Amino acid sequence: AQSVTQLGSHVSVSEGALVLLRCNYSSSVPPYLFWYVQYPNQGLQLLLKYTSAATLVKGINGFEAEFKKSETSFHLTKPSAHMSDAAEYFCAVSEDNFGNEKLTFGTGTRLTIIP
Amino acid sequence: NAGVMQNPRHLVRRRGQEARLRCSPMKGHSHVYWYRQLPEEGLKFMVYLQKENIIDESGMPKERFSAEFPKEGPSILRIQQVVRGDSAAYFCASPITGGTGELFFGEGSRLTVL
Repeated sequence: AQSVTQLGSHVSVSEGALVLLRCNYSSSVPPYLFWYVQYPNQGLQLLLKYTSAATLVKGINGFEAEFKKSETSFHLTKPSAHMSDAAEYFCAVSEDNFGNEKLTFGTGTRLTIIP
Repeated sequence: NAGVMQNPRHLVRRRGQEARLRCSPMKGHSHVYWYRQLPEEGLKFMVYLQKENIIDESGMPKERFSAEFPKEGPSILRIQQVVRGDSAAYFCASPITGGTGELFFGEGSRLTVL
């Protein structure tokens, strides 16, 4: 079975600084990987996804993530943090690698932006 | 609003009561997923339904939980004899395009069991 580990349940960065949220996965086959964002009292929104095409994936709101097979990682980055980026971020893997919607989520990283 | 609609947004129940959570998928969609988010945890898959059919219920607790998606009307997640450990946010989602892993989530129903 696949699993996802997000290192750091809370991350704080200054406005304008680099955002780096870490995600490592375990999978016996090439995975489908996702980052979702959850704003307070809302549902999750898809930020970006990796489906075995380009290893560097660009998403919405200036976020991107790089798939590194050798490190089994899919870290999320943004060059310059904005106050509106404050939210909880979840990394997820598709369970059977056929791109279905039965996802395994990490425990999330709450991102705080310091003015 | 063509998005995923869930109600109620907030529900308070006492131990032993029943909770019913409703979900209408995106317009024109006939598949829904239910996920549960316990406090300080990520979302966990519960069940996958299409109209009049349960496709995958491998994430459903064995007792007290059931789900349906009738031909007419919303999908319903039913929790009988609720306990404090059922307190969580329950999210419904529509596949954006089937087979891609992309989900459009509703805003969730937050159940509090007293």
